Amino acid sequence: AQSVTQLDSQVPVFEEAPVELRCNYSSSVSVYLFWYVQYPNQGLQLLLKYLSGSTLVKGINGFEAEFNKSQTSFHLRKPSVHISDTAEYFCAGLNTGFQKLVFGTGTRLLVSP
Amino acid sequence: NAGVTQTPKFQVLKTGQSMTLQCAQDMNHEYMSWYRQDPGMGLRLIHYSVGAGITDQGEVPNGYNVSRSTTEDFPLRLLSAAPSQTSVYFCASSYSHGGGGYTFGSGTRLTVV
Repeated sequence: AQSVTQLDSQVPVFEEAPVELRCNYSSSVSVYLFWYVQYPNQGLQLLLKYLSGSTLVKGINGFEAEFNKSQTSFHLRKPSVHISDTAEYFCAGLNTGFQKLVFGTGTRLLVSP
Repeated sequence: NAGVTQTPKFQVLKTGQSMTLQCAQDMNHEYMSWYRQDPGMGLRLIHYSVGAGITDQGEVPNGYNVSRSTTEDFPLRLLSAAPSQTSVYFCASSYSHGGGGYTFGSGTRLTVV
């Protein structure tokens, strides 16, 4: 069973509009959760992480995510996107043994003018 | 610059050839891992290592071999390349149990013809 599920493979949005990228995790994943961004032809860069504490986590480039234990979700949000946010976004979680990072299948964010 | 260095960046192999993808990190990270990225499948774990001399299999280990003789290096060997191994390969490292997030290399794009 997929341990980290990203519900949308592609999200088109207009510049300056808000966006939410959805991520759900299963019980085989710990609550150490991450969002990574991959720009075209590049490696992955850490956007933000949740380890414990406040359920609202702020990251780089104006992104934030909210950890919701009851809904087993860790959705990524940005109130106003830019063309430069066009990229693929990956949700990931450490497995319960803390030895492996398990990735979702990715969501491609397409920002148009 | 501190980080994860992967070589080569691009490689074309013929079916049946063998090769080694190199990965080196200079952050004294204990954890290192190899992922392959294929369209629509996200990143899948091939092999990982929790420290020098210790390696273990991930989700898709068949056809790949690893060793970890030093903390810095974690090479990935393709024993007999097959077209199904055409992919982008990423090496990643982290300290401790990865709670700080992983640092990724820039990737090796491998084509097997």
